[in-house]
Amino acid sequence: ILNVEQSPQSLHVQEGDSTNFTCSFPSSNFYALHWYRWETAKSPEALFVMTLNGDEKKKGRISATLNTKEGYSYLYIKGSQPEDSATYLCAWGSGNTGKLIFGQGTTLQVKP
Amino acid sequence: DTEVTQTPKHLVMGMTNKKSLKCEQHMGHRAMYWYKQKAKKPPELMFVYSYEKLSINESVPSRFSPECPNSSLLNLHLHALQPEDSALYLCASSQERALRVSPLHFGNGTRLTVT
Repeated sequence: ILNVEQSPQSLHVQEGDSTNFTCSFPSSNFYALHWYRWETAKSPEALFVMTLNGDEKKKGRISATLNTKEGYSYLYIKGSQPEDSATYLCAWGSGNTGKLIFGQGTTLQVKP
Repeated sequence: DTEVTQTPKHLVMGMTNKKSLKCEQHMGHRAMYWYKQKAKKPPELMFVYSYEKLSINESVPSRFSPECPNSSLLNLHLHALQPEDSALYLCASSQERALRVSPLHFGNGTRLTVT
């Protein structure tokens, strides 16, 4: 069974705190790693598509790193804001079939 | 605003009913997907269409029948569902099936309840 694990399951932080969470995935047959943000009552929104070992991507206050050899990716949020409150999902792909396996997500709540 | 439109937003159906979920995108994407998500679980892939042809069926029961009438539309026909099929059904699209460059673009989902 191929598992994608995310930790922690949930996180409560104060506005202004920086935070990070982890996505673990199988290190063999790596093809791509995606991060999505899913706000309540909205559709999941793509943050990053990562493909190369050592890759770092940034979008505003959010950044992500990738280690394909050991099978993990970190998502960082600098200076969290209440609007960052959402569930953050990672998804791992092992080929060009279009199949992604999603983790269970990390639910972030940022208190003002 | 999402560029992938799903209808209906909510659906309640009995186990003997036949209904359809619809999904539409006008971004010129050539791959379309159905995912199922149950509470507190990750989205699970059901079907992948690439250039209007079914390329992945993740061993989904035949009571779910996908259809891709053209490159912009994706349907999911439902018949004789079970209460355990109650879930959020998400449609997504991407430029191509190879997901190294393009991400998935999701709709808002259809919340299905089977009674």
